[in-house]
Amino acid sequence: NAGVTQTPKFQVLKTGQSMTLQCAQDMNHNSMYWYRQDPGMGLRLIYYSASEGTTDKGEVPNGYNVSRLNKREFSLRLESAAPSQTSVYFCASSPHFGTSGNYEQYFGPGTRLTVT
Amino acid sequence: DQQVKQNSPSLSVQEGRISILNCDYTNSMFDYFLWYKKYPAEGPTFLISISSIKDKNEDGRFTVFLNKSAKHLSLHIVPSQPGDSAVYFCAASPNINAGGTSYGKLTFGQGTILTVHP
Repeated sequence: NAGVTQTPKFQVLKTGQSMTLQCAQDMNHNSMYWYRQDPGMGLRLIYYSASEGTTDKGEVPNGYNVSRLNKREFSLRLESAAPSQTSVYFCASSPHFGTSGNYEQYFGPGTRLTVT
Repeated sequence: DQQVKQNSPSLSVQEGRISILNCDYTNSMFDYFLWYKKYPAEGPTFLISISSIKDKNEDGRFTVFLNKSAKHLSLHIVPSQPGDSAVYFCAASPNINAGGTSYGKLTFGQGTILTVHP
């Protein structure tokens, strides 16, 4: 049981390049999330998918797109990378979105992205 | 507008003593609170949580206290151990009756770096 896995672990992009961050979970969770972590800012929600087939914007969605490929996989795409997108990206999952008293999310190990 | 704030960027304590990490929030719709622990190069891991119907929740060496009137929560670690050295994030979620799609989404604080010295 690997939990939440993310690929790649590290990536360096030039401004304007595109890439997709991959995330998969094997816990049969319904909901998945993408966060970015920046110094002094905590974790900020980029996009989330409450259930398979749905996606919604979080706090900082600009410059990103997502795809909930199936129940297991949730990818994050940067179409034209900018230096402001240099960050550590975390994927997370939870059993059910917003089920009362069940808000715990499980995180992957992160992807460290540098845009030059 | 930072709805969840951890005003202490860092905290240093001696092994065996108590560590107290603080968190304040401004959104009165938050009613479920969580603490996460994060080691370098790893993802955050869930530590302990508390619902707004309680004012205290305890799990081994970890206790979370909630003061709803002050919109303040704290995490106590007793006794502190060197392995507790990590970044601690508090997070909050609105209640399920908040409406819209806000429930289930976590808002995180900036984090506090805890260092426990042997």
